[in-house]
Amino acid sequence: DIQMTQSPSTLSESVGDRVTITCRASQSISSWLAWYQQKPGKVPKLLIYKASSLESGVPSRFSGSGSGTEFTLTISSLQPDDFATYYCQQYNSYPLTFGGGTKVEIK
Amino acid sequence: EVQLLESGGGLEQPGGSLRLSCVVSGFTFTSYDMSWVRQAPGKGLEWVSAISASGGGTYFAASVKGRFTISRDNSKNTLYLQMNSLRAEDTAIYYCAKQSAGNHYYIDYWGQGTLVTVSS
Repeated sequence: DIQMTQSPSTLSESVGDRVTITCRASQSISSWLAWYQQKPGKVPKLLIYKASSLESGVPSRFSGSGSGTEFTLTISSLQPDDFATYYCQQYNSYPLTFGGGTKVEIK
Repeated sequence: EVQLLESGGGLEQPGGSLRLSCVVSGFTFTSYDMSWVRQAPGKGLEWVSAISASGGGTYFAASVKGRFTISRDNSKNTLYLQMNSLRAEDTAIYYCAKQSAGNHYYIDYWGQGTLVTVSS
């Protein structure tokens, strides 16, 4: 199985900050990586697919990059609505696997 | 509008069984693979199982293999998850999820979830 490791597990940031979250795969997954945002008590929301493709309706301050085993999610200027937990997920092969999550908190 | 509506969750004793259902609308059910994903209280997301569009292929996480089965009734636009030999660690919100088109499938839509609690 492909293991996904996210770092850091928690981030304390301020509105307007640039935020970068890293996700590493235990083996190459090409660009078959998605990023989701989840707020407390809510359903996960797709942000990015195929490592860098922005889902329709997602603000352009979100971007993704990487391929192979190393990936990043960047929020260019953190907004109040962005405080949430972010998960990466590989869909190169079954079993699909998620990273452990990164909680972005208000500093 | 894509909609996925789960049902069937509840309280069950260890060793018991539950069957979850997910009725979908707003897309051509027969064209898409589907998954179940769960989230234990205060924990992260865990993919549980998937089924191909035709129903001919099924996939499971190691944690549920041999205990859970996934199926679909394309005539009823309904996805199922049969959960047997339930354990306390199966306690979670179970989300029904639609997978994308193509030959590699990310999850593009999620249901609201149904809570399964396994406790004596």
